[in-house]
Amino acid sequence: DAMVIQNPRYQVTQFGKPVTLSCSQTLNHNVMYWYQQKSSQAPKLLFHYYDKDFNNEADTPDNFQSRRPNTSFCFLDIRSPGLGDAAMYLCATSEEGDSAKNIQYFGAGTRLSVL
Amino acid sequence: GQNIDQPTEMTATEGAIVQINCTYQTSGFNGLFWYQQHAGEAPTFLSYNVLDGLEEKGRFSSFLSRSKGYSYLLLKELQMKDSASYLCGIMDSNYQLIWGAGTKLIIKP
Repeated sequence: DAMVIQNPRYQVTQFGKPVTLSCSQTLNHNVMYWYQQKSSQAPKLLFHYYDKDFNNEADTPDNFQSRRPNTSFCFLDIRSPGLGDAAMYLCATSEEGDSAKNIQYFGAGTRLSVL
Repeated sequence: GQNIDQPTEMTATEGAIVQINCTYQTSGFNGLFWYQQHAGEAPTFLSYNVLDGLEEKGRFSSFLSRSKGYSYLLLKELQMKDSASYLCGIMDSNYQLIWGAGTKLIIKP
C-alpha cells in the first residue's frame, strides 16, 4: 500500500545531542511537510518542501533543519535538542502545494523524548 | 491574525449524535478540512468543504458557512472507536493549512 512511513516511532535523545528523524513516502507526492505537535495542541508547521524548494516557517527555530535528498525521503535534523523540543513530530505529504483541495497524508509520527 | 476555535473536549453516548463546531478567522480561505486523530496516531482525512452547505459521507457530515466563518462536523450513530480528537484546519490564501487545537471526543457506553 502507498503510504507515509516515519522512523523510528519513538526516539529518546539527550539534551544537546543531535538527532535525525526520517520520513519516506511511496505516494510520489511533490510536497512534504514536517509538523511538531505537543500534547493537546494543534500541529505546528515547521517547514515544507515543494519538490526541492525548501520553505521555512518564520518562527521555526534555527535548531531545526531539514533535508530532502530525493522525492521519496525527507529528514528532520534537530541540532541541539532542548527539553522543550520533546514532542510528536509528524511528516505529511500532498500531491500539490498550491491547490485548494490539497489533502495531506500523514505518517504515524515519531515521539521524541529529551532527557 | 489567524484564529481557529474548537471546544477542547466533548462527551457523548454510544449510538447518539454529536456536533463539533469550528469557528475561524484567517487570512483568506481556500477550504476547510476535518481530520480525525486517535491518541498517539497520525491525523487522517475525514472531509473537505469549500462551498457553503452540507457534505455527507456515511455517518459523518461536515457543514460550512463562509459568511459566518463557521463549520461543524456531525457524527451519527456513535461508536466507541469514534473516541478521538477531531482537528479543524483552514487552508489560507497561501495554501497553508492552519490547524485548530482539536476537540477531544469521549464516547461513553
